[in-house]
Amino acid sequence: QKEVEQDPGPLSVPEGAIVSLNCTYSNSAFQYFMWYRQYSRKGPELLMYTYSSGNKEDGRFTAQVDKSSKYISLFIRDSQPSDSATYLCAMKRGFQKLVFGTGTRLLVSP
Amino acid sequence: DTEVTQTPKHLVMGMTNKKSLKCEQHMGHRAMYWYKQKAKKPPELMFVYSYEKLSINESVPSRFSPECPNSSLLNLHLHALQPEDSALYLCASSQVGGDNSFFGQGTRLTVV
Repeated sequence: QKEVEQDPGPLSVPEGAIVSLNCTYSNSAFQYFMWYRQYSRKGPELLMYTYSSGNKEDGRFTAQVDKSSKYISLFIRDSQPSDSATYLCAMKRGFQKLVFGTGTRLLVSP
Repeated sequence: DTEVTQTPKHLVMGMTNKKSLKCEQHMGHRAMYWYKQKAKKPPELMFVYSYEKLSINESVPSRFSPECPNSSLLNLHLHALQPEDSALYLCASSQVGGDNSFFGQGTRLTVV
């Protein structure tokens, strides 16, 4: 079993839809949770970072962490074609290395 | 400034060549990382430097040689690579033990 599971997609949605991206994890010691956006042939860009359970909002993006269920989500409201990218969840514990999900490819059609 | 700058952006090298990848950050981060990313896969950690000292080597072949000359710079020296080493090489930085890492745009390496 992988430490972090993420559906690779692709996830195709029309412009304006609400997108839900999810990851599950098995290591209850993970403390920090991140979402990265990666455009083709570019480096990952940090979108959201959370530490505790609950929600964190930044513009059209909301990150949600449920430590009891070992489940994290990223919601994108009013999705745009420019949101088309691969979204990687990542998590870590203390000084340990980042553990990435496989990434979900999102396609937003005009 | 939350930028990690990598050069070159693209590199094509022969299997007998020696080349170097460079990475620079000015965020005051004292942890720097090299990752390798193949197509449609997540980044794989190669090396971690903490306070300019190598702290993690993820069993990377010796044809990859990292170097951290100072707290802002990180190099990856390449020698006698194989075609299967072709990938996107990413540099990242963070506070030591920090909660999030910032990535550069990567160097797309092709070994011919």
